[in-house]
Amino acid sequence: EAGVAQSPRYKIIEKRQSVAFWCNPISGHATLYWYQQILGQGPKLLIQFQNNGVVDDSQLPKDRFSAERLKGVDSTLKIQPAKLEDSAVYLCASSLAHWGAGDTEAFFGQGTRLTVV
Amino acid sequence: QKEVEQDPGPLSVPEGAIVSLNCTYSNSAFQYFMWYRQYSRKGPELLMYTYSSGNKEDGRFTAQVDKSSKYISLFIRDSQPSDSATYLCAMSRPGGGTSYGKLTFGQGTILTVHP
Repeated sequence: EAGVAQSPRYKIIEKRQSVAFWCNPISGHATLYWYQQILGQGPKLLIQFQNNGVVDDSQLPKDRFSAERLKGVDSTLKIQPAKLEDSAVYLCASSLAHWGAGDTEAFFGQGTRLTVV
Repeated sequence: QKEVEQDPGPLSVPEGAIVSLNCTYSNSAFQYFMWYRQYSRKGPELLMYTYSSGNKEDGRFTAQVDKSSKYISLFIRDSQPSDSATYLCAMSRPGGGTSYGKLTFGQGTILTVHP
């Protein structure tokens, strides 16, 4: 079974520039998550999709971050304009997440390491 | 106060040692408890998954959940250099709504097992 694919693996941009990350979840997984992991911290949820609808984006800085999941499969996360504090690893995860116990296992991609200079 | 607190370490142990990793939490709604392992420059991978209170064993790994104390632990027996990684505890709430499937992570504990 193929895992969660993310690209690019690394990105360096200057502050105020824009950047986009791409994620392809595991086939058949309805739920897709974007997490931000700042160095030395645990991942923090930015946005959660159920198919192509947003379930939770309460911690997404909407003035600069946007995300979409077209056709309920691939997803892109965009930052515009970037700030220095956006330097982090952006992790995409997916899960079956059916409504019931035991289906919340999330599988993570390798992440995109963003450095804003 | 953070919902999930985890001692970041770092923790350095000799090969063969028993390792104890811990997290505390404040939200009594958490019902699912997980431990993820994250190698350097990799995404987290699920190691153990426990529902509600109790113990779960898988090979050298044992996960414990004490809901009355809001405390979870991961024990690693006969630790190996290949266990060197960051260990993240994570928790989620049951049921529907926006909380479903959302994982709240601890800070992560950096573990080094030296030969």
